[in-house]
Amino acid sequence: GQQLNQSPQSMFIQEGEDVSMNCTSSSIFNTWLWYKQEPGEGPVLLIALYKAGELTSNGRLTAQFGITRKDSFLNISASIPSDVGIYFCAGRGMNSGYSTLTFGKGTMLLVSP
Amino acid sequence: DADVTQTPRNRITKTGKRIMLECSQTKGHDRMYWYRQDPGLGLRLIYYSFDVKDINKGEISDGYSVSRQAQAKFSLSLESAIPNQTALYFCATSDATGADTQYFGPGTRLTVL
Repeated sequence: GQQLNQSPQSMFIQEGEDVSMNCTSSSIFNTWLWYKQEPGEGPVLLIALYKAGELTSNGRLTAQFGITRKDSFLNISASIPSDVGIYFCAGRGMNSGYSTLTFGKGTMLLVSP
Repeated sequence: DADVTQTPRNRITKTGKRIMLECSQTKGHDRMYWYRQDPGLGLRLIYYSFDVKDINKGEISDGYSVSRQAQAKFSLSLESAIPNQTALYFCATSDATGADTQYFGPGTRLTVL
């Protein structure tokens, strides 16, 4: 099946720093999604991307759908302690006849005040 | 009120017991999913349903069964629980007529002793 490689696995940063994480795939995706999961909660959708090259922002978060359709990145600017959590990318393949997503293994973000 | 609810939120059971996890949604979505989350492995799809009575196996369906008797409800059963089914279980929903983005419930933490 399709696989997503998400990196880094974890990050420990100081408050105020910018953060960047990315996902790459061996196959083409037609949708990229970024979710955040806080302890004890389910993943919450942050940003959805539907077109190659698309750049979308949500507050301090910015995500881009790679031109090759095989990658996406998420940037967080000026991090704050409440940014702590696990960030997941998810993609839906071009050849998939079904509406299922493939998830990356997640990036755990820790922010020190 | 939460759009996607899961019951129970926590469950401890013994090997060999039958367990049912329930998911309900008030979003009016036609599609529902069950995922399993293990540390370092991300989210893996167990089963999904695109409509009432429609059932499809996901990546890791062995040892699980599901029932979709109503649009708003999707239950996951472990007929004979085993310790390696200890995990976080998430239900999700999506709307086929919209962007088909998945929205997650708060999760059920299951421990099999």
